[in-house]
Amino acid sequence: AQSVTQPDIHITVSEGASLELRCNYSYGATPYLFWYVQSPGQGLQLLLKYFSGDTLVQGIKGFEAEFKRSQSSFNLRKPSVHWSDAAEYFCAVGASGAGSYQLTFGKGTKLSVIP
Amino acid sequence: KAGVTQTPRYLIKTRGQQVTLSCSPISGHRSVSWYQQTPGQGLQFLFEYFSETQRNKGNFPGRFSGRQFSNSRSEMNVSTLELGDSALYLCASSLSGGGAGYNEQFFGPGTRLTVL
Repeated sequence: AQSVTQPDIHITVSEGASLELRCNYSYGATPYLFWYVQSPGQGLQLLLKYFSGDTLVQGIKGFEAEFKRSQSSFNLRKPSVHWSDAAEYFCAVGASGAGSYQLTFGKGTKLSVIP
Repeated sequence: KAGVTQTPRYLIKTRGQQVTLSCSPISGHRSVSWYQQTPGQGLQFLFEYFSETQRNKGNFPGRFSGRQFSNSRSEMNVSTLELGDSALYLCASSLSGGGAGYNEQFFGPGTRLTVL
């Protein structure tokens, strides 16, 4: 069965600083990978996705992520964080398991931004 | 184009009752998935419906059920509510495809269920 690990439960950065959120997955084949963001009281918004091709993926709001097969990682990055980026971020893998397809999410990383 | 809508947004029930939550997908989307989000377990997949048929199912007891109508609107039902069912229930829609994992899913704002 597939799994996703987000090692950092909570990260605090200063506005304008760079950001990297870690994500490791476990899956036997090439996974379909996603990053979602959730603001308080809101649903999930897709930031970016990787299906195949270029391993560096650009998303919305200035985010990017890099797929590294050798490390089973799909880390999310942003060069300069804005106060509005404070939210919870979820990495997810779309894969087959027990004959069905579904999204499996990590536990999330809460991002706080210091003005 | 309107996004995914969920009703109601908030719900308070007592143990033993049942509840029905509703989800209207984005127009043209035929797949609807449901997720449960709790602080302890995070986001967990409940089930997915496509063309009125349940296509995928997560690891939840039979008290959790759902259905999809011909207009792609979906409902999920939880019977005999337990305290542990308190959660944010999220609905997501996608166009179609070979399975929920391979399609971009658009999420609604969720229904916050509190069981007392």
